[in-house]
Amino acid sequence: KQEVTQIPAALSVPEGENLVLNCSFTDSAIYNLQWFRQDPGKGLTSLLLIQSSQREQTSGRLNASLDKSSGRSTLYIAASQPGDSATYLCAVPNYGGSQGNLIFGKGTKLSVKP
Amino acid sequence: DAGVTQSPTHLIKTRGQQVTLRCSPKSGHDTVSWYQQALGQGPQFIFQYYEEEERQRGNFPDRFSGHQFPNYSSELNVNALLLGDSALYLCASSLDRTYEQYFGPGTRLTVT
Repeated sequence: KQEVTQIPAALSVPEGENLVLNCSFTDSAIYNLQWFRQDPGKGLTSLLLIQSSQREQTSGRLNASLDKSSGRSTLYIAASQPGDSATYLCAVPNYGGSQGNLIFGKGTKLSVKP
Repeated sequence: DAGVTQSPTHLIKTRGQQVTLRCSPKSGHDTVSWYQQALGQGPQFIFQYYEEEERQRGNFPDRFSGHQFPNYSSELNVNALLLGDSALYLCASSLDRTYEQYFGPGTRLTVT
């Protein structure tokens, strides 16, 4: 059974720092991995989707990497800003499930202090 | 281009009641998935609808049911509400056979 874990559960950093969020999964047979952002009480915003054949994806100050063999992904945020404060979730498709059946971690709550 | 929309935004119900939540997918999308997110947890997959049929279901009881209409919009129904059903209910849409999910803002359900 696929399980997704995110460490740390919470992170507080001063503005301007570069930071790394971690995501691990138990079954390496994944089609892709997605990173989402969630503001308090709101829906999810897709940040990056990495296909299983890729090792990295970049969007602006965000860079996500994927190492299937070790069951790990990282989300790197450069030059963090207070507006980056949110919960970051990673998700993988449920093996054998339809494309919409995602398994999520519990998220990392990020706070960027001015 | 309107993204995924959900209604209502918030809802308060009493134990034992029934509730219906609604979702309109992003323009051009034909597949709708529903998730339940309890406080402090990641979303959990409830079920997915495509071509007006339930295509896959997560580990949720039969009290949770759904429907998809010809215009691809969808409803989530929950019967005999329990306190534990209190959560943020998220709808996500996608194009069939693609993986990228677009989520709506969610409906916050509180059961008292």
